Amino acid sequence: GAGVSQSPSNKVTEKGKDVELRCDPISGHTALYWYRQRLGQGLEFLIYFQGNSAPDKSGLPSDRFSAERTGESVSTLTIQRTQQEDSAVYLCASSFKYSNQPQHFGDGTRLSIL
Amino acid sequence: AQSVTQLDSQVPVFEEAPVELRCNYSSSVSVYLFWYVQYPNQGLQLLLKYLSGSTLVKGINGFEAEFNKSQTSFHLRKPSVHISDTAEYFCAVSQDSNYQLIWGAGTKLIIKP
Repeated sequence: GAGVSQSPSNKVTEKGKDVELRCDPISGHTALYWYRQRLGQGLEFLIYFQGNSAPDKSGLPSDRFSAERTGESVSTLTIQRTQQEDSAVYLCASSFKYSNQPQHFGDGTRLSIL
Repeated sequence: AQSVTQLDSQVPVFEEAPVELRCNYSSSVSVYLFWYVQYPNQGLQLLLKYLSGSTLVKGINGFEAEFNKSQTSFHLRKPSVHISDTAEYFCAVSQDSNYQLIWGAGTKLIIKP
């Protein structure tokens, strides 16, 4: 079946603009994760959604970052008033509920702030 | 707090040589262990996972890993690497009580011709 889909694949924008990144998880996956990966670095956890529970927002770096997810469907990550340090690849992953289930990743959105 | 350590940030190896990528974790409870691979400009792909049972786990592309509870390690091995194995490899751990994965910093596998 279809994997995790992220859009856009690339986004270039000017400093100070808002951006919205989209993630369409695998159908039936109740868990959804957003990560940030800076050039040449590992994964930085941003936010985690599990079904209709309150999301774990502990990884969001500032109040400029927010994310939404309705039920078990699409999620959007919004970055307001972008800064150059926001340049990175933003990866989305989804999985079934249980902790022994692997995460399935999209190909990411490469965000470049000019 | 639980943590995952990948001891090498880069591992250069000649083509057709064996390779081992090291991963150690800190946890006193039962864990689930995963290795992911990230090819250039792509997302992460599951290589293999240990949930229970046999401590030697085989994955895709000829990779295998061995769970060692006493040493809290889950090292990844391949007997003969190819140019196509050039990628970054991430080790990750989860616990029963927490759906999130704790990630290592990654190891870049560099294949020398």
